[in-house]
Amino acid sequence: DSGVTQTPKHLITATGQRVTLRCSPRSGDLSVYWYQQSLDQGLQFLIQYYNGEERAKGNILERFSAQQFPDLHSELNLSSLELGDSALYFCASSVLTGGATGELFFGEGSRLTVL
Amino acid sequence: GESVGLHLPTLSVQEGDNSIINCAYSNSASDYFIWYKQESGKGPQFIIDIRSNMDKRQGQRVTVLLNKTVKHLSLQIAATQPGDSAVYFCAERGGGNKLTFGTGTQLKVEL
Repeated sequence: DSGVTQTPKHLITATGQRVTLRCSPRSGDLSVYWYQQSLDQGLQFLIQYYNGEERAKGNILERFSAQQFPDLHSELNLSSLELGDSALYFCASSVLTGGATGELFFGEGSRLTVL
Repeated sequence: GESVGLHLPTLSVQEGDNSIINCAYSNSASDYFIWYKQESGKGPQFIIDIRSNMDKRQGQRVTVLLNKTVKHLSLQIAATQPGDSAVYFCAERGGGNKLTFGTGTQLKVEL
């Protein structure tokens, strides 16, 4: 158990819909990262938050957005869903201060299926 | 741009043998590398890391080798066990404080 909690574990929805994925980092970790894992793309970095502020951005679509709340949990919002958004979405947290990226602790992931 | 690739998508080894998983990276400015293991249905799990000022680091049954001249990273697993069966990813930290992951190598341990 990495200490990172993600909900929901599974989610099935239809094209055009909007979903919210939630992540609670390990106790004390200030950085939260979101990754997308699909069969043909591997693990793709989406975005990083550090202590409530966006720190780094990857290949995140404009239809996707994220935020980190004062209690450090994070949410990833996916809107206008398309079939190609079906994937595993991982949240990870890091113990490093200053927002530097080092060893990441991953949650179990949220499997999104868009029909 | 940054890219991390793996030489072999699937590696099959006999139980008890040593495994070597290779990874090529393209960003010569990357300063930190990590190997992750992902078992079916689970999130990636940290195995070992190495900084760019090192060329070798050992852990429990695992060794990571870094060759910056040819931009090559490898993970060696000694006495491979059935529990080592998983997908292994290398990742590099390049510009922008981002970890870029390779596409993964499936390690299959045969009894």
